[in-house]
Amino acid sequence: GENVEQHPSTLSVQEGDSAVIKCTYSDSASNYFPWYKQELGKRPQLIIDIRSNVGEKKDQRIAVTLNKTAKHFSLHITETQPEDSAVYFCAASPNYGQNFVFGPGTRLSVLP
Amino acid sequence: SAVISQKPSRDICQRGTSLTIQCQVDSQVTMMFWYRQQPGQSLTLIATANQGSEATYESGFVIDKFPISRPNLTFSTLTVSNMSPEDSSIYLCSVETGGTTEAFFGQGTRLTVV
Repeated sequence: GENVEQHPSTLSVQEGDSAVIKCTYSDSASNYFPWYKQELGKRPQLIIDIRSNVGEKKDQRIAVTLNKTAKHFSLHITETQPEDSAVYFCAASPNYGQNFVFGPGTRLSVLP
Repeated sequence: SAVISQKPSRDICQRGTSLTIQCQVDSQVTMMFWYRQQPGQSLTLIATANQGSEATYESGFVIDKFPISRPNLTFSTLTVSNMSPEDSSIYLCSVETGGTTEAFFGQGTRLTVV
């Protein structure tokens, strides 16, 4: 089955700096890769996603890149703000939107 | 989008008892999913609940321990049976709405077994 690894497990950056979180997956059949943000005590919320037929996607300060050959994808947050502090989970799915396998998470702290 | 209501939001239960968690969606969805999130950990898929058929369980999860009902296209329940302290966790339901790949999550049920 699918296995998703995520690094780093914790990340601290200064406000205004960039943050990068990387994930690798094992199943070449996976075709959908979302990123979820989970604030303390709250539900996970989708922040950006990418399908396997796209190499990069950007939404304001957030971007995701996908390298299908190497089976890895990354989340890039620019101009970080304190409200970006949360746990971020990557996931992989072989059936768009279904049967997600989540990475272990990255706790991002943005220091003012 | 989808609005998901999950009940209860939290509960403290005695070991050996069972708890049923309800998940209500504001629109009809084909597939509903149940996840477990242990303290400080990631989300693990327990099972996929389809209306009109048996739930499909992931490796390590069995129907006797986590029976699931899916009586219609807007509602599902997950029961945690014969609970032990190791079942203390957050349980979340999730849906994928037709026409989009996004999965929406309920607010979760924080279960503590004592």
